[in-house]
Amino acid sequence: GNSVTQMEGPVTLSEEAFLTINCTYTATGYPSLFWYVQYPGEGLQLLLKATKADDKGSNKGFEATYRKETTSFHLEKGSVQVSDSAVYFCALSPRAQKLVFGQGTRLTINP
Amino acid sequence: DVKVTQSSRYLVKRTGEKVFLECVQDMDHENMFWYRQDPGLGLRLIYFSYDVKMKEKGDIPEGYSVSREKKERFSLILESASTNQTSMYLCASSHGTSGLSYNEQFFGPGTRLTVL
Repeated sequence: GNSVTQMEGPVTLSEEAFLTINCTYTATGYPSLFWYVQYPGEGLQLLLKATKADDKGSNKGFEATYRKETTSFHLEKGSVQVSDSAVYFCALSPRAQKLVFGQGTRLTINP
Repeated sequence: DVKVTQSSRYLVKRTGEKVFLECVQDMDHENMFWYRQDPGLGLRLIYFSYDVKMKEKGDIPEGYSVSREKKERFSLILESASTNQTSMYLCASSHGTSGLSYNEQFFGPGTRLTVL
């Protein structure tokens, strides 16, 4: 079946630290991969996506590369800010219109 | 500015009550979705609708039903609320497509439902 596994949270970092949130997936076929972010009190927003192997998605300083050989889509940012504190969800789309989500990783950035 | 709105941010109901959660989108999207969000489990799809009066079960439809009488509105119904339905409920919408390309889902702010 289709599933997504994210690294356990919560993750706490200091401002300007390097961030990695690991995401691996199991899927049949060739899914599209996504990172969504949920800021406190809000719904989810699409952060970035990649639709085929070796694609790199990027937005707001965040990056993730679709690695088919390791079935991974790790989220990275070189220098985090307090405003990046949120819950991050990795997700895959096994077929058009549907999403399968990971369990979410809560990130807290301290000044 | 695109918008998905949900009827309540917080709701408290008693076991056995019938509960309606409403979602409205103003983007003329064909697809609408209901998810529940629980700590450690991420988001799980309850139902989705790809057109007016059309619906499809998601991964956890038991205990829920839905209604889509108008394109912009998608309702989630708990016929007889139970304590294990205490959760955050998120609505989303997206454009439909006849191909296999993915369209971004836009989410509402969520309704936190507590069943006592």
